[in-house]
Amino acid sequence: EVKLVESGAEVKKPGESLKISCKASGYSFTNYWIGWVRQTPGKGLEWVGIIYPGDPETRYSPSFQGQVTISVDNSITTAYLQWSSLKASDTAMYYCVRPFLPDVIYAFDVWGQGTMVTVSS
Amino acid sequence: DVVMTQSPDSLAVSLGERATINCKSSQSILYMSNNKKYLSWYQQKPGQPPKLLIYWASIRESGVPDRFSGSGSGTDFTLTISSLQAEDVAVYYCQQYYHTPLTFGGGTKVEIK
Repeated sequence: EVKLVESGAEVKKPGESLKISCKASGYSFTNYWIGWVRQTPGKGLEWVGIIYPGDPETRYSPSFQGQVTISVDNSITTAYLQWSSLKASDTAMYYCVRPFLPDVIYAFDVWGQGTMVTVSS
Repeated sequence: DVVMTQSPDSLAVSLGERATINCKSSQSILYMSNNKKYLSWYQQKPGQPPKLLIYWASIRESGVPDRFSGSGSGTDFTLTISSLQAEDVAVYYCQQYYHTPLTFGGGTKVEIK
């Protein structure tokens, strides 16, 4: 079974750093892009960015470029999303996602359960 | 960025009746070389991640009931639920994957009348 299992909910203060994770299983990790989608009540679903573990090549939405870093550890088939200095506006649910075909950035047929990140003083 | 505009924001439909959701892209997402429309639809129920329903604008994902269908041209797309069931109450999103950044519509909430 193909699965993406994300790390648990986080509560942080503005200015703090954070790294959340997504453990992939059930498929060839290095053959599929793996990415992140943000969901907020106000802005709906937003694509954050994506990484190809086989390279690794990374692409970011311009809205998130420079604000977050996406990385992978192929030895443990895990993707990460990290912030160096959180803002209150980073408060959201973050989903780990995988496209429905290998080697391309297409629609997402596999979603993690989501990691809720709350940033508040 | 390709802007995806969904309408309506919400709709209430009687059980067994048809529900129609529209999605318009700000530019064509039809790739001429393979004649594929890079458009997908998702269903999201409360407390769950989105679920892929349709890709290539009209291909149902495995296990999706055939009451769900997708259609459309290069910029105008439709998701139709032919006979609404109680379990179809959800928010539906369209997404284009022709260009990065991938972009989503704002969502349409479907309720029972």
